[in-house]
Amino acid sequence: EVQLVQSGAEVRKPGESLKISCKGSGYTFTTYYIGWVRQMPGKGLEWMGIIWPGDSETRYSPSFQGQVTISVDKSINTAYLQWSGLKASDTAMYYCARQYCNSISCPMGYWGQGTLVTVSS
Amino acid sequence: EIVLTQSPGTLSLSPGKRATLSCRASHIVSNTYLAWYQQKPGQAPRLLIYGASSRATGIPDRFSGSGSGTDFTLTISRLEPEDFAVYYCQLFGSSRTFGQGTKVEIK
Repeated sequence: EVQLVQSGAEVRKPGESLKISCKGSGYTFTTYYIGWVRQMPGKGLEWMGIIWPGDSETRYSPSFQGQVTISVDKSINTAYLQWSGLKASDTAMYYCARQYCNSISCPMGYWGQGTLVTVSS
Repeated sequence: EIVLTQSPGTLSLSPGKRATLSCRASHIVSNTYLAWYQQKPGQAPRLLIYGASSRATGIPDRFSGSGSGTDFTLTISRLEPEDFAVYYCQLFGSSRTFGQGTKVEIK
């Protein structure tokens, strides 16, 4: 069974750094893209970026380029989303998701449970 | 960047009725790259339709997708109580933008 398990909720102050995780299991981790999606409180879904765990090739949405870093550690089947200087506007639920099939044209068919990030002074 | 516009913003219908949700792209897109998701409160999104018209595994056949070019439609033939949720369309080619969502609520 394909599963994506995300790290728990986080509370940080503005300016602090943060790295959240997404551990995949039940499939060959290096052969499916993993993406990250933001959902601000009461709002819609926003695409942040995608990574190919096999070689760590990463593509960011223009809105998130330079604002976050997506990475993987394929030795432990885990993808990461990190910030170096959080802002209050980063407060949101963050989802990781895996492609439904292993083609670049496949949408995200398996989702983590979400990680709530709260940034407040 | 391609923009996806969903309409209506909210659809108020009774159980058993037919729901028709629209997703319009700002430029012509390939059917291959259009997907629909359902999201219920407090839950992660769930993939319903990919390639504009193919149902994902386990999705009931009351859900169907259609369209081409710039206009795509998600149809729920007879609304069940569990179908009241927010629905998003998404492109997943070089651009992976989401539409802003359509909320299907109980009338």
